[in-house]
Amino acid sequence: GQNIDQPTEMTATEGAIVQINCTYQTSGFNGLFWYQQHAGEAPTFLSYNVLDGLEEKGRFSSFLSRSKGYSYLLLKELQMKDSASYLCAVTSGNTGKLIFGQGTTLQVKP
Amino acid sequence: NAGVMQNPRHLVRRRGQEARLRCSPMKGHSHVYWYRQLPEEGLKFMVYLQKENIIDESGMPKERFSAEFPKEGPSILRIQQVVRGDSAAYFCASSPPRGANTEAFFGQGTRLTVV
Repeated sequence: GQNIDQPTEMTATEGAIVQINCTYQTSGFNGLFWYQQHAGEAPTFLSYNVLDGLEEKGRFSSFLSRSKGYSYLLLKELQMKDSASYLCAVTSGNTGKLIFGQGTTLQVKP
Repeated sequence: NAGVMQNPRHLVRRRGQEARLRCSPMKGHSHVYWYRQLPEEGLKFMVYLQKENIIDESGMPKERFSAEFPKEGPSILRIQQVVRGDSAAYFCASSPPRGANTEAFFGQGTRLTVV
């Protein structure tokens, strides 16, 4: 089976740094994605990791450890507009279908 | 290049009616995925299609749900005899034919309400 866990909710302060963790158990792991989803809107792509290590993209970075089944999304210099749900998803096999976690709702406070 | 287009954005159906949700993938994309998001829950994979072929329907309910992606026209997710539990946001995503780990682009979703 496949299982993806991430915290349900997090709160952080504007200008701060927040780390959203994701652990997964899956067979045939092919890669891990992070998506951002604002309420009532479509998920938008943030990052993709297939090899161990850190991928940095502006204020957002994503880390993967395949041996530990663990990833995190790091958001720096938080802005109010970063208040959203952050979805961790893995692909396995060769179909490209995404298996999502429950999502982490991040609230950024002034 | 227009993004993934879904319509309608909102759909209200009475119990027992049929719901038809449409998805036009991005230009050049031949892979279409449907996901369902129940209230307060994560996205759940339903079905993966390529033109005229269902590749993986392991997430589709066994009854009342069907999907197609014809040679011409949009992909259609069809729900027959809707029930209140079908109320959810249905998202379509598309990706180009470049392998399994290509970023998928999501449409805005269709929010189905069954009354």
